[in-house]
Amino acid sequence: KAGVTQTPRYLIKTRGQQVTLSCSPISGHRSVSWYQQTPGQGLQFLFEYFSETQRNKGNFPGRFSGRQFSNSRSEMNVSTLELGDSALYLCASSHDTGGVSYEQYFGPGTRLTVT
Amino acid sequence: GDSVTQMEGPVTLSEEAFLTINCTYTATGYPSLFWYVQYPGEGLQLLLKATKADDKGSNKGFEATYRKETTSFHLEKGSVQVSDSAVYFCALSTGFQKLVFGTGTRLLVSP
Repeated sequence: KAGVTQTPRYLIKTRGQQVTLSCSPISGHRSVSWYQQTPGQGLQFLFEYFSETQRNKGNFPGRFSGRQFSNSRSEMNVSTLELGDSALYLCASSHDTGGVSYEQYFGPGTRLTVT
Repeated sequence: GDSVTQMEGPVTLSEEAFLTINCTYTATGYPSLFWYVQYPGEGLQLLLKATKADDKGSNKGFEATYRKETTSFHLEKGSVQVSDSAVYFCALSTGFQKLVFGTGTRLLVSP
């Protein structure tokens, strides 16, 4: 079975621009979560989608948004980029069937650099 | 809120040494506990998990036991290899696939 894929792998943007990152979960997984990893703040939860609905959201400003499509693929968008948004953005999918804590499988991440 | 505390790294060991990485947690309710490993330039890989008190998770020689009384989930391995060099993250989840991570512990194993 193919793993979680994320595109693009690397991205360089300028302050004030917006960016869209894409994630394709493992086949059959309906839950997709997003995390931000930085040296200073570590790994932080952004949001989680299940069957096209956002079920949970972390403590990030409204510039960070996401969505999920009917095929479970997910995108996250960051508008008005700031230097502090430079990070590795990780997507994870899970074979969630009832809202309990299932293991999550992570993609390789998208490395975003904001200049 | 929920939180995970891990020992500071780096942890430096010689090959075949015994490994312990401490992890304690604070959570409301009854969390599931996980260890993830991250190799350079890669995403996170699930190493092992435990979903209730006294459960022992194990994989690839690594073990961790869910201790409710001490709110701990320490990672152990009897004999480390150079290939185990990576960053290890302890994490908890209380539902809906939201993981709360510790700060990570870098392990360096020398031949």
